[in-house]
Amino acid sequence: AQKITQTQPGMFVQEKEAVTLDCTYDTSDQSYGLFWYKQPSSGEMIFLIYQGSYDEQNATEGRYSLNFQKARKSANLVISASQLGDSAMYFCAMREGDTGNQFYFGTGTSLTVIP
Amino acid sequence: ETGVTQTPRHLVMGMTNKKSLKCEQHLGHNAMYWYKQSAKKPLELMFVYNFKEQTENNSVPSRFSPECPNSSHLFLHLHTLQPEDSALYLCASSQAVWGAYEQYFGPGTRLTVT
Repeated sequence: AQKITQTQPGMFVQEKEAVTLDCTYDTSDQSYGLFWYKQPSSGEMIFLIYQGSYDEQNATEGRYSLNFQKARKSANLVISASQLGDSAMYFCAMREGDTGNQFYFGTGTSLTVIP
Repeated sequence: ETGVTQTPRHLVMGMTNKKSLKCEQHLGHNAMYWYKQSAKKPLELMFVYNFKEQTENNSVPSRFSPECPNSSHLFLHLHTLQPEDSALYLCASSQAVWGAYEQYFGPGTRLTVT
C-alpha cells in the first residue's frame, strides 16, 4: 500500500482564490510527521509546512495551512489568496520513526494559478 | 554559497562510464539524503547519512555507491548505469533525522544515461 496518496494530479485555481490540495497517509505509528513541499519548474524542493501527529492545532505558515484530520488520516494543504507564483508541483510527505530512512513522498499535485 | 548545492546540474553518461554527483550543505546540518525523482513516481529515498554514518540502504542497486566524508559533503558514485536510471537526483539535508526538522533540498542533478 502507498504510504502517501495524492489523488489530484492537476489542479487549477483563479488568482486570489483559495485552493485545497488533498493528501492521505497510511501508518500504524503513533508518532509521525507530515510535510508539504513545493517544487517550481526550476526543480528545487521548497519546504512549506509541518504537522506533527501529536499537534492538536492545525499548522499555519502565512498563506499556507494544513487541515489535519487524524482519524481520517488526511493532511490537506490549503493555500489562501493564490498568487501566480504558486504555480508548481506540490508534494505531501511523511516521516515515520526516528532513523531518517522512513521518509515517504506522494506523487504530487500540479497546481496552475490562472490570472 | 548558501543552502544546499549540487554539481553538476546536468550529466549525460554512457552505460559504461563512471561519474560522481556532489552535494554540499552550508547549513550546519547533521543529516544528508539522496533521492531519485522519476516522472510520475514518488520521490524515492535512496540513502540516509546521520552524523556521517549511513543508516540504511533502501534496496538501492550496487551501481549506486554513496560516500559521506564529513557532515557537509555527500557524493553519489555512479558506474555501469542503466537507461532506467535516468532521473533527477536530489540531495537534501536536515538538522536531524527525527522530529519536525524539515529537509532542505538542492537543485538536483538531471542525469541521462545513454
